[in-house]
Amino acid sequence: QSALTQPASVSGSLGQSITISCAGTSSDVGGYNYVSWYQQRPGEAPKLMIYDVSNRPSGVSNRFSGSKSGNTASLIISGLQAEDEADYYCSSYAISSYAISSKLFGTGTKVTVL
Amino acid sequence: QVQLVQSGAEVKKPGASVKVSCKASGYTFSGYFIYWVRQAPGQGLEWMGRINPNTGGSKYAQKFQGWVTMTRDTSISTAYMELSSLKSDDTAVYYCGRGAASWYIDLWGRGTLVTVSS
Repeated sequence: QSALTQPASVSGSLGQSITISCAGTSSDVGGYNYVSWYQQRPGEAPKLMIYDVSNRPSGVSNRFSGSKSGNTASLIISGLQAEDEADYYCSSYAISSYAISSKLFGTGTKVTVL
Repeated sequence: QVQLVQSGAEVKKPGASVKVSCKASGYTFSGYFIYWVRQAPGQGLEWMGRINPNTGGSKYAQKFQGWVTMTRDTSISTAYMELSSLKSDDTAVYYCGRGAASWYIDLWGRGTLVTVSS
């Protein structure tokens, strides 16, 4: 199974809103509500930002939200702040044509705050 | 506090094996899956597999079938990931993570750098 497709980079100005897309198929993103999003700053481990498409763990800013439409999930960051500059990865549960379950990650998106 | 502490960096020769440990503390070890994810230098995240510490049952990504072994020792709340027949492109940071049944990882270790070089 291939990685989920994300834009390589997204940029926005301070205070602006940006959206990161995560394109998959009906065997992963579109078929299950098991999409999660991770933030990774340089030299650090990833951090969970959104789980089960749109749920936010405690401690994560409400400026982060998630949604899904068809085979594409989205992470929306509103009120962009300098600390949001990082790499973001989506992930989804997936089932192969051989009924083998797995976890797929997206290709990653670098967010730059202008 | 709730954390996962991984073993230190390793340098291995091609063809060797490496075993990385991941010690859990601050929560019930058997209550959550342990996931293993790797990240090659400058690259994205790659899921390797997961183990259920309660049962010992594991599920591996197809790419790593026959090549990776995930185990656990519940007496010391520690999970292990062993990768065999190492090649230079196995050079990566290997992360363990605590996860839920719905396949998200809510707690990550700091990572273990494994360098494969002759």
